[in-house]
Amino acid sequence: EDQVTQSPEALRLQEGESSSLNCSYTVSGLRGLFWYRQDPGKGPEFLFTLYSAGEEKEKERLKATLTKKESFLHITAPKPEDSATYLCAAPGGTSYGKLTFGQGTILTVHP
Amino acid sequence: GAGVSQSPSNKVTEKGKDVELRCDPISGHTALYWYRQSLGQGLEFLIYFQGNSAPDKSGLPSDRFSAERTGGSVSTLTIQRTQQEDSAVYLCASTSGSSGELFFGEGSRLTVL
Repeated sequence: EDQVTQSPEALRLQEGESSSLNCSYTVSGLRGLFWYRQDPGKGPEFLFTLYSAGEEKEKERLKATLTKKESFLHITAPKPEDSATYLCAAPGGTSYGKLTFGQGTILTVHP
Repeated sequence: GAGVSQSPSNKVTEKGKDVELRCDPISGHTALYWYRQSLGQGLEFLIYFQGNSAPDKSGLPSDRFSAERTGGSVSTLTIQRTQQEDSAVYLCASTSGSSGELFFGEGSRLTVL
């Protein structure tokens, strides 16, 4: 059975304090690893797709990386507006949109 | 609007009643997904529609759950004889083709008393 596990469950940072979120996966025939951001009361918002080990993607203060067993979301010099739940997910079946999500990491950035 | 629209945003119902949740996907998106998000369970896939193909219903938790998509656009998720464990946020998403870049609506929060 496909599994996606995220750690830590919650992370509290001071503004400007860089850190990383982890996503480990057990998926047969990985066909991509997705990162989403979710704000309270909203649906998830797509951030990145990574397809192969060694791949990196960047967007503003976020950088996602992928190895054969896990993915990291690095947050550099975070701001309070980066506070959200970050979700990673892997596709199963024939559709890339049929995703198995991790439980998420709740990130809080204090000013 | 240009995004995925869901209604109602909140629904409170009594145990045993039927409920219908509606999703208007982004115009032109051929694929539509329903997910459920509840405390302690995270986001769970329910059902997937792609064009005119038969839907993938593999995530529906019981036969009380059903969904249809009319005219390749609007979708309705129906839960019959609701139970307290059905309380959750039901999220709809759409995308073009079979992409994993899903565009989610804001969800319908269902509370079963």
